[in-house]
Amino acid sequence: GAGVSQSPSNKVTEKGKDVELRCDPISGHTALYWYRQSLGQGLEFLIYFQGNSAPDKSGLPSDRFSAERTGGSVSTLTIQRTQQEDSAVYLCASSFGGQDTQYFGPGTRLTVL
Amino acid sequence: DQQVKQNSPSLSVQEGRISILNCDYTNSMFDYFLWYKKYPAEGPTFLISISSIKDKNEDGRFTVFLNKSAKHLSLHIVPSQPGDSAVYFCAARAIQGAQKLVFGQGTRLTINP
Repeated sequence: GAGVSQSPSNKVTEKGKDVELRCDPISGHTALYWYRQSLGQGLEFLIYFQGNSAPDKSGLPSDRFSAERTGGSVSTLTIQRTQQEDSAVYLCASSFGGQDTQYFGPGTRLTVL
Repeated sequence: DQQVKQNSPSLSVQEGRISILNCDYTNSMFDYFLWYKKYPAEGPTFLISISSIKDKNEDGRFTVFLNKSAKHLSLHIVPSQPGDSAVYFCAARAIQGAQKLVFGQGTRLTINP
């Protein structure tokens, strides 16, 4: 398929462990976004990549969260020393440009025990 | 500070009738509004959008209305169909530069046969 893909679909980890979540955007899309949805809440913006520009990290909740986008395509969101409040569905989206419609992947459900 | 609010967590509508989903926002810098639809275990899917220069946008069974003075938008679905049962998220984007979407908490729509 040509949509946004994310892996893993589910991740269960123990408190204090590090996790990496992966996003493969739609081919040709220059903009990539990470959001998270906690239980019963709307989607919360985390970070935005546009081409070779410096990412907008304004939504990252703490310095335990970081993200990279290698080669302008695949992105990895890393959460260090996970806490129970990090449990959420992490969603990746991509768009052709920064002003265009964002298309979402299916998400990674993270559970921190 | 919840900048985009969907005050109805759930809504039930009879098949064939009109569904009206509401959304309020507080940030006057928002200039573009979107509705996304989300099925369980899937990412949100773009449905319809409206720019702040318009007060109505229609696409088939879906119409979005924007009342800038009231900072209110609504999504009308008519006629409602069982496949419309999903969670609907309202989202907004600020003028210039900030590409991130700010989402409401979502409204779960159930269409009853």
